[in-house]
Amino acid sequence: AQSVSQHNHHVILSEAASLELGCNYSYGGTVNLFWYVQYPGQHLQLLLKYFSGDPLVKGIKGFEAEFIKSKFSFNLRKPSVQWSDTAEYFCAVNAVNRDDKIIFGKGTRLHILP
Amino acid sequence: DVKVTQSSRYLVKRTGEKVFLECVQDMDHENMFWYRQDPGLGLRLIYFSYDVKMKEKGDIPEGYSVSREKKERFSLILESASTNQTSMYLCASSSPTGGSSYNEQFFGPGTRLTVL
Repeated sequence: AQSVSQHNHHVILSEAASLELGCNYSYGGTVNLFWYVQYPGQHLQLLLKYFSGDPLVKGIKGFEAEFIKSKFSFNLRKPSVQWSDTAEYFCAVNAVNRDDKIIFGKGTRLHILP
Repeated sequence: DVKVTQSSRYLVKRTGEKVFLECVQDMDHENMFWYRQDPGLGLRLIYFSYDVKMKEKGDIPEGYSVSREKKERFSLILESASTNQTSMYLCASSSPTGGSSYNEQFFGPGTRLTVL
């Protein structure tokens, strides 16, 4: 069965620090990968996604993620965080050609100190 | 702009009550999903539906049922609410996968249910 593991449950950073949130998945086949974000009091929304092609994908608000197939990883990065990046971040995976379900990780709460 | 709406933002019910959570999407999506979100556990899939009158169990269907009589509406039913069903419930919708692409899920604002 597919599963998603997020390395950090809670991360605290100061503004302008660099961010990397780890995500690993377990599934031997082809996958689609996602990062979703939930800002305080708001809907869950898509931050970025990987389907195929360039393993380095860019999303909204300066975020990017790199798919490393050999490591089953899809880590999220941002060179310089802002206070407004305070949110909960979820990594998710879909097994291609199986079904339309996606499996979510347990989430990482990110607090940015002003 | 896809819009997924849920009938209530906050709901308080008593143990043993029957609870209905409604979800409506306005983008003609075939797929609809119900999740519960709990701190430290992420999102867990309860039920999903690929079409009207179709339903599939997710990872934690026990204690829940669903109804999809119309394409735009997907209801989650707690037949007899219990305190361990206190949670945030999220509804999502998507178009079916086409070819090699995958269509993202769009989420509603959530219903925070408290069962006393």
